[in-house]
Amino acid sequence: AQSVTQLGSHVSVSEGALVLLRCNYSSSVPPYLFWYVQYPNQGLQLLLKYTSAATLVKGINGFEAEFKKSETSFHLTKPSAHMSDAAEYFCAAALTGAGSYQLTFGKGTKLSVIP
Amino acid sequence: GAVVSQHPSRVICKSGTSVKIECRSLDFQATTMFWYRQFPKQSLMLMATSNEGSKATYEQGVEKDKFLINHASLTLSTLTVTSAHPEDSSFYICSARSGARSGANVLTFGAGSRLTVL
Repeated sequence: AQSVTQLGSHVSVSEGALVLLRCNYSSSVPPYLFWYVQYPNQGLQLLLKYTSAATLVKGINGFEAEFKKSETSFHLTKPSAHMSDAAEYFCAAALTGAGSYQLTFGKGTKLSVIP
Repeated sequence: GAVVSQHPSRVICKSGTSVKIECRSLDFQATTMFWYRQFPKQSLMLMATSNEGSKATYEQGVEKDKFLINHASLTLSTLTVTSAHPEDSSFYICSARSGARSGANVLTFGAGSRLTVL
């Protein structure tokens, strides 16, 4: 069984400040890892994904995440927050291997950006 | 890129009626689609896996007679909430696997359907 834990249900940062959203996973095998963003009353948009290639993954909108196996973490960062980054962010994991499309989601972290 | 369309985006119905939500993959074929339910301020809960041409696979605790899923074609899956009650009010989101070439298990999500049962 696998699980995804997002530390902090709500994170507030000032505009221009560093964004750090934490995600830890638990899995019996190395998983694929994803970060999604959700704006109010909308579906999820993929920010970036880790699929056992480079451990530092760059995504859209200036976000990046680093896979650290020793820490079982996949934290999401952005050097400088923008007002448009305010949204709900979900970390998700999928077991590796063919046919493993089912995602396990963390509970989400709401990011607020203070002007 | 891959697009998944969900319809309707919002629906309000009376208790006891049935509501159908459609999920379409617009520019790719999806043999597998997933249906999630999201409660306010909570994460997505996988309800079922919809397989084209076969019965859906439901997660534990999800009533298959309450949430009917039909995946009649490679581009369309439907979720019907039967005899809806206020506790069924929620945000329902579908997703479909895209990016088959990369094998990266990337899911494309629909925009969601907010169901309110009065």
